[in-house]
Amino acid sequence: DAGVIQSPRHEVTEMGQEVTLRCKPISGHNSLFWYRQTMMRGLELLIYFNNNVPIDDSGMPEDRFSAKMPNASFSTLKIQPSEPRDSAVYFCASRAGLVNEKLFFGSGTQLSVL
Amino acid sequence: AQSVTQPDIHITVSEGASLELRCNYSYGATPYLFWYVQSPGQGLQLLLKYFSGDTLVQGIKGFEAEFKRSQSSFNLRKPSVHWSDAAEYFCAVGFTGGGNKLTFGTGTQLKVEL
Repeated sequence: DAGVIQSPRHEVTEMGQEVTLRCKPISGHNSLFWYRQTMMRGLELLIYFNNNVPIDDSGMPEDRFSAKMPNASFSTLKIQPSEPRDSAVYFCASRAGLVNEKLFFGSGTQLSVL
Repeated sequence: AQSVTQPDIHITVSEGASLELRCNYSYGATPYLFWYVQSPGQGLQLLLKYFSGDTLVQGIKGFEAEFKRSQSSFNLRKPSVHWSDAAEYFCAVGFTGGGNKLTFGTGTQLKVEL
């Protein structure tokens, strides 16, 4: 298996632009997580899905952020409009089973908003 | 709410020396506990986990961790550090009934001096 695949690897955009980050989880995994990592706040859970259904989006910072999982093999995280404070590394992770199972992380998307 | 504390932001050890990274959690129930490692530019990789049984767990790369309920701790140890262990280490906690999500600590950056 290729693991969790995220794209793009790097994204540089200007303030006000729409940004879409993409994630392909490992086949057969039923839970998908979006995390944001910054120096100041560490690794924050933004949202997670179970069987394609959003379960907890309490970590989504504001209405500018939205996430979808239209099927078991694809998820997007969208920021519209983007702001410089959104600059961070965004990770997608997937898992088979419940909380005691291993999380598999993608390599992340480095987002820079100028 | 569940929380994880990693009190050491940075640790420097000499190659061949022993290592202990601290992790404390807060919650009333029995936790699921994890240690993940992140190399530069990469996603997180699971080192080891605990959810029941023997409180001393062995992981990959020669790491081990001990769950101490009385101290709400899950410290990571390695008897002899190698230069390739330089990375950032994250402790994470989850609970049944905690919504299937993991809460990560802020990480400890390990530097290894040759």
